Amino acid sequence: EAQVTQNPRYLITVTGKKLTVTCSQNMNHEYMSWYRQDPGLGLRQIYYSMNVEVTDKGDVPEGYKVSRKEKRNFPLILESPSPNQTSLYFCASSPRTGSSGNTIYFGEGSWLTVV
Amino acid sequence: GESVGLHLPTLSVQEGDNSIINCAYSNSASDYFIWYKQESGKGPQFIIDIRSNMDKRQGQRVTVLLNKTVKHLSLQIAATQPGDSAVYFCAEIWGGGFKTIFGAGTRLFVKA
Repeated sequence: EAQVTQNPRYLITVTGKKLTVTCSQNMNHEYMSWYRQDPGLGLRQIYYSMNVEVTDKGDVPEGYKVSRKEKRNFPLILESPSPNQTSLYFCASSPRTGSSGNTIYFGEGSWLTVV
Repeated sequence: GESVGLHLPTLSVQEGDNSIINCAYSNSASDYFIWYKQESGKGPQFIIDIRSNMDKRQGQRVTVLLNKTVKHLSLQIAATQPGDSAVYFCAEIWGGGFKTIFGAGTRLFVKA
């Protein structure tokens, strides 16, 4: 089954304690991306990756880091989380090729609360 | 989980009626546009897309219309069903297909 898997799904953490949200896809997609979703603001792109070792900033990259060492994984790193990073986070992947290239597959989301 | 759409525009339709959800976009350089459906507690789900050089595209029970003159996108759902109740987002894709801007979303309620 085609899947984008995120972990953890729910996390409460404290300000300043580094955390990583993992994302893995089993569709051999080149493109992966992270979004945050906040009430009234919709989904906003944090970072994206066009392929292994190729990443770029989205609209709201501040306070986040990413890495793409292998095709299937795209972890989101919060080096020093702050309360304004409390949000619902989604990882997504897409083939970006061929007739199905526009389809983006989303994970189930990770609820993060920073206190 | 808590709602992420507390202040969304809302559309309420009767089961069996057609629904039209609208979206205004901002970037005239967008390459294509996508409509997503998001049910409570789940990630967005791809519905249909349309390239910027098209005006209309039809899928199963859904039609997307693109008016580039006024930067407007609409999603039409035929014979709306209770299972269509969700939040619907439009998204514009630009930057060579790598950057995405989402609309705030519209909540669709389908009354049985």
